[in-house]
Amino acid sequence: ETGVTQSPTHLIKTRGQQVTLRCSSQSGHNTVSWYQQALGQGPQFIFQYYREEENGRGNFPPRFSGLQFPNYSSELNVNALELDDSALYLCASSFKGASGSRETQYFGPGTRLLVL
Amino acid sequence: GDSVTQMEGPVTLSEEAFLTINCTYTATGYPSLFWYVQYPGEGLQLLLKATKADDKGSNKGFEATYRKETTSFHLEKGSVQVSDSAVYFCALIKAAGNKLTFGGGTRVLVKP
Repeated sequence: ETGVTQSPTHLIKTRGQQVTLRCSSQSGHNTVSWYQQALGQGPQFIFQYYREEENGRGNFPPRFSGLQFPNYSSELNVNALELDDSALYLCASSFKGASGSRETQYFGPGTRLLVL
Repeated sequence: GDSVTQMEGPVTLSEEAFLTINCTYTATGYPSLFWYVQYPGEGLQLLLKATKADDKGSNKGFEATYRKETTSFHLEKGSVQVSDSAVYFCALIKAAGNKLTFGGGTRVLVKP
């Protein structure tokens, strides 16, 4: 069974640039959630993708956007990068069944983004 | 809104000591509760979970019991090892919910 993978592992960008982060979900999972973890803090929910559509969003501006592909992998795009976007970005995959409720989320290793 | 509160760290222990990390939550309904562990430079690993009141989650010698009456999910381990040094996160997800709500994390350092 393949776990959750993310790429790249590290990234350095400058303010105003755009970035795309990628996530491959665990085998058998159909849902991907993205989280931002600032240094020394707990992860914060950005959004979730299910059936290739956004299925809930946290308190993040529209310049944070995403995609989910038919193979359930996902991308997180951030436009107009700001210094405060420097963080560890975590992807989590899960299986959402017919009941659609409280599935267990399994995390990838994360992408560490530094904005200069 | 929903929230999770953990004891602040760092918690420094000697090897073979008893570990307790307190976690309390605020949420409507009956959330599922989780403990995740983050080793230096890595992502989060699921440590254990409980989905209803009085459930006990356990894994790798760690245990936590879902206490509805005190809205708590304290993590315990009877004898820690140096390899248990990490940051531990308590989290909840609501029924039909899509997001995990995390506490701020507790750093644990185990010295030989």
